[in-house]
Amino acid sequence: KAGVTQTPRYLIKTRGQQVTLSCSPISGHRSVSWYQQTPGQGLQFLFEYFSETQRNKGNFPGRFSGRQFSNSRSEMNVSTLELGDSALYLCASSLAEVYEQFFGPGTRLTVL
Amino acid sequence: AQTVTQSQPEMSVQEAETVTLSCTYDTSESDYYLFWYKQPPSRQMILVIRQEAYKQQNATENRFSVNFQKAAKSFSLKISDSQLGDAAMYFCAYRSSWETSYDKVIFGPGTSLSVIP
Repeated sequence: KAGVTQTPRYLIKTRGQQVTLSCSPISGHRSVSWYQQTPGQGLQFLFEYFSETQRNKGNFPGRFSGRQFSNSRSEMNVSTLELGDSALYLCASSLAEVYEQFFGPGTRLTVL
Repeated sequence: AQTVTQSQPEMSVQEAETVTLSCTYDTSESDYYLFWYKQPPSRQMILVIRQEAYKQQNATENRFSVNFQKAAKSFSLKISDSQLGDAAMYFCAYRSSWETSYDKVIFGPGTSLSVIP
């Protein structure tokens, strides 16, 4: 069974631009979560989707948004990029409820 | 709100020895799940072990075991017979039960483990 895939793996943008990251969960997984990982702040929860509905949202500004499609694939969007948005963005999927999360390799975003 | 604390930013262990990583958490919930994740230098996060709060028996996965103390809100990870491949960042994570918070997971700040040959 294929694991969680994220595209692109690396991305370089400039301040003020916007970016869209994609995540394909493991087949059959309906829950997708997004995290931002930085050396200073560690792993911070962005949001979580289940069956196309956002169930939880972390403490991030409105520039960060996401969505989930009917096939459980998810995208997150960051508008008006800032230097501080440079980070590794991780996507994780799970079956539901008690099941652990399986992580993708991440997308490394660099904002210049 | 729940919090997860890992008081050891860095640790090292001799190959073949045993090391214990500490994790404490704060919650008012009675039903939850705890995890240890490993993130090697390649950056792919991997689940090491999980523990359901309602289970008194400590979880074990091969060389990895936990010491779960629910009353003390402590969840330490013991790695026996340490191997070079165990070198990684280890994250302790807390997850509420589905009924209360769906799939939100809180991660600790991580412990960087080095294995000395």
